[in-house]
Amino acid sequence: RKEVEQDPGPFNVPEGATVAFNCTYSNSASQSFFWYRQDCRKEPKLLMSVYSSGNEDGRFTAQLNRASQYISLLIRDSKLSDSATYLCVVNANAGNNRKLIWGLGTSLAVNP
Amino acid sequence: DGGITQSPKYLFRKEGQNVTLSCEQNLNHDAMYWYRQDPGQGLRLIYYSQIVNDFQKGDIAEGYSVSREKKESFPLTVTSAQKNPTAFYLCASHNIGRQYGYTFGSGTRLTVV
Repeated sequence: RKEVEQDPGPFNVPEGATVAFNCTYSNSASQSFFWYRQDCRKEPKLLMSVYSSGNEDGRFTAQLNRASQYISLLIRDSKLSDSATYLCVVNANAGNNRKLIWGLGTSLAVNP
Repeated sequence: DGGITQSPKYLFRKEGQNVTLSCEQNLNHDAMYWYRQDPGQGLRLIYYSQIVNDFQKGDIAEGYSVSREKKESFPLTVTSAQKNPTAFYLCASHNIGRQYGYTFGSGTRLTVV
């Protein structure tokens, strides 16, 4: 089993749709979690951190389920500009940032 | 504005040549990282450094070398020993002990010709 697994997609959705991505991780000792966004041929950019209580930033909601070892990202009212690859990132050891594990990403295409 | 600057944006290397990729940050971050990204693969860690004059190998360090003589700078040399150097190279930085994510530079796309 991969340490961090994501459905590669692509997810093709119309503008205004709600879309959700899941990401599973294998190390139960993982302590911090992030979603990054990467546009084609660009660097990854931090979208949001994922907290145990769940967190929301505008149209984006991230949730963590430690019992099932997955995190999710929900995008409401999709915009064309949301088209990108979304990377799930897990840190297995909060004190050692060397242990960031990156998923392969989920591709999202929002269509007019 | 603070950030990370990578240069050059595109680099072409002949077989047998060493090339050096530049990474400079003015974020006062302690830790710096070099990743490689290939199509269809996730980010793979090459080297990282948490303090000046110290650095550690990542998962794919063979064929690469780094230095950390200044807090702001973490150059990566791709040596002729790296057999498949064509890739997208990303430099990142971070403040140790904080749970914020990494900040990335805009990357260098290296091609062997």
